[in-house]
Amino acid sequence: DAGVTQSPTHLIKTRGQHVTLRCSPISGHKSVSWYQQVLGQGPQFIFQYYEKEERGRGNFPDRFSARQFPNYSSELNVNALLLGDSALYLCASSLGWTGYTDTQYFGPGTRLTVL
Amino acid sequence: AQSVTQLDSHVSVSEGTPVLLRCNYSSSYSPSLFWYVQHPNKGLQLLLKYTSAATLVKGINGFEAEFKKSETSFHLTKPSAHMSDAAEYFCVVSEDNDMRFGAGTRLTVKP
Repeated sequence: DAGVTQSPTHLIKTRGQHVTLRCSPISGHKSVSWYQQVLGQGPQFIFQYYEKEERGRGNFPDRFSARQFPNYSSELNVNALLLGDSALYLCASSLGWTGYTDTQYFGPGTRLTVL
Repeated sequence: AQSVTQLDSHVSVSEGTPVLLRCNYSSSYSPSLFWYVQHPNKGLQLLLKYTSAATLVKGINGFEAEFKKSETSFHLTKPSAHMSDAAEYFCVVSEDNDMRFGAGTRLTVKP
């Protein structure tokens, strides 16, 4: 079975640009979550979507947005990029949404570099 | 809000010796607790999770963790380290719709 897939693998942008990251969950999983992992730190929760609705949001500015499509894939959008947005962006999927007791399966991540 | 502290940023052990990675947490009520491992250039992998069942949780690859409410701890252990265990380990606490990761502990295994 295919695991969680993310695209692109790497991305280089300049300050002020916009970026879209994509995630495909494991087949049958209806929940997708996004995390930001800055070098040398643990991942930080950005969003969770379940059945195409936002179910959780971390402490990130409104420049960050996401959506989930009818096939349960998801996009993370970041506007007006800052140097501090440089990070590994991780996507995780789970079967359902039960306050995070469901096991989350992580993708390999998208490495975003902002110059 | 919940939080998690991993007490060691780096742990170094010899192959075949025990591993202890320490994690303390704070939580308003009964949390869910997890340990994840991250190998270089690979995604995060769940080692084990605690969700208010047995306090001693067994995970994959010989790892286990014990939930101690009185000490607010969830330390990860393994009796005998293998070279393949070298990686970054994250302790995670979860409440409601928020999952908080610790800063990570880098485990080095010497031959």
